[in-house]
Amino acid sequence: NAGVTQTPKFQVLKTGQSMTLQCAQDMNHNSMYWYRQDPGMGLRLIYYSASEGTTDKGEVPNGYNVSRLNKREFSLRLESAAPSQTSVYFCASSPRGGATDTQYFGPGTRLTVL
Amino acid sequence: AQSVTQLGSHVSVSEGALVLLRCNYSSSVPPYLFWYVQYPNQGLQLLLKYTSAATLVKGINGFEAEFKKSETSFHLTKPSAHMSDAAEYFCAVVNAGNMLTFGGGTRLMVKP
Repeated sequence: NAGVTQTPKFQVLKTGQSMTLQCAQDMNHNSMYWYRQDPGMGLRLIYYSASEGTTDKGEVPNGYNVSRLNKREFSLRLESAAPSQTSVYFCASSPRGGATDTQYFGPGTRLTVL
Repeated sequence: AQSVTQLGSHVSVSEGALVLLRCNYSSSVPPYLFWYVQYPNQGLQLLLKYTSAATLVKGINGFEAEFKKSETSFHLTKPSAHMSDAAEYFCAVVNAGNMLTFGGGTRLMVKP
């Protein structure tokens, strides 16, 4: 049982380059999330998908786009990377997206933008 | 707006000593509160959560937390630290949008 998987694990980009971070879950969860983690700031929500076919902005959506490809997969795209997007990115999923749901996290993608 | 403050970005304890990690929240509605743990180079995993049932919540690995409404606190404790408890700990509150707002995290170091 893989849980939540993310690819790649590490990535280095130059300013202005684009890339897509991939996330997949095998727990049949309805809701999925993308966070970024920066030192001293905890995790901040970028985008989420309450259910297949829907996406909504979180706290820090600027510079990102997402696609909920199907129930299993939720990708995050950086169209034109900036140094301020250097961070660790986590994907998570939860069964129903309710307030008391436990979120299950992937191992993260460490992104550096030069 | 809901927010979370974790006092102390770094806490160091000796093996066998009490672990106390502090979390204070602000919320205009009865809160749902969580503690997550992040071991090195891993994603976060749930330690415990408060969902308005018992105010003393027991979690995994011997951790527990007590919800104190009068103090707007949800501190995490463990009676005796193990080396394996070294990790970063995050307190989180559910915000008005039903999403999690995380604190800045506390890195726990355990000395032999």
